[in-house]
Amino acid sequence: NAGVTQTPKFQVLKTGQSMTLQCAQDMNHNSMYWYRQDPGMGLRLIYYSASEGTTDKGEVPNGYNVSRLNKREFSLRLESAAPSQTSVYFCASREGSLDGPYGYTFGSGTRLTIV
Amino acid sequence: AQSVTQPDIHITVSEGASLELRCNYSYGATPYLFWYVQSPGQGLQLLLKYFSGDTLVQGIKGFEAEFKRSQSSFNLRKPSVHWSDAAEYFCAVGGGYQKVTFGIGTKLQVIP
Repeated sequence: NAGVTQTPKFQVLKTGQSMTLQCAQDMNHNSMYWYRQDPGMGLRLIYYSASEGTTDKGEVPNGYNVSRLNKREFSLRLESAAPSQTSVYFCASREGSLDGPYGYTFGSGTRLTIV
Repeated sequence: AQSVTQPDIHITVSEGASLELRCNYSYGATPYLFWYVQSPGQGLQLLLKYFSGDTLVQGIKGFEAEFKRSQSSFNLRKPSVHWSDAAEYFCAVGGGYQKVTFGIGTKLQVIP
């Protein structure tokens, strides 16, 4: 029962480099999300995907792109990393309908440092 | 706009003591309310949720929360805290899949 799997767990990038954070869930959930967590700011939504083939911007999408590759996988890409993107990134998935009272299942996070 | 306030950034309790973590929300309609727990280096885990019905909800790990509409609150409680409860706790409010807002978290320290 893996749930939501994120890779890598840790990464250090230089400013201007690009990278893709991977996320996969095995619970057959329709909705998937990318959040970033910064001290004193809680979790902020970057992008989400309500279903396979659709993606939408969240609260802080600038500097990021996403791909919903299939129902299981939802990746987050930083095209040109900036120090302000140093953060812990969480992927989450959610069962059920678009407006239902369902909680998230979170991955264990990727700690990303941009130097 | 919806919002969540967790007024206590850090709380320290003795093992065996009772616990109450405060959460106030702002939302235009009947909200869905959640509490999550995050252990160090881990993702968030859902403790409990409220969306309708009984205003006292039970969750995992012996936690409960009470929805009080008149006070716009959804406080988390536990009668007797264990050392393993030391973690960060997040309250969240939402009414649709793209509109879940998290509080900034309350870090719980448990002393022997």
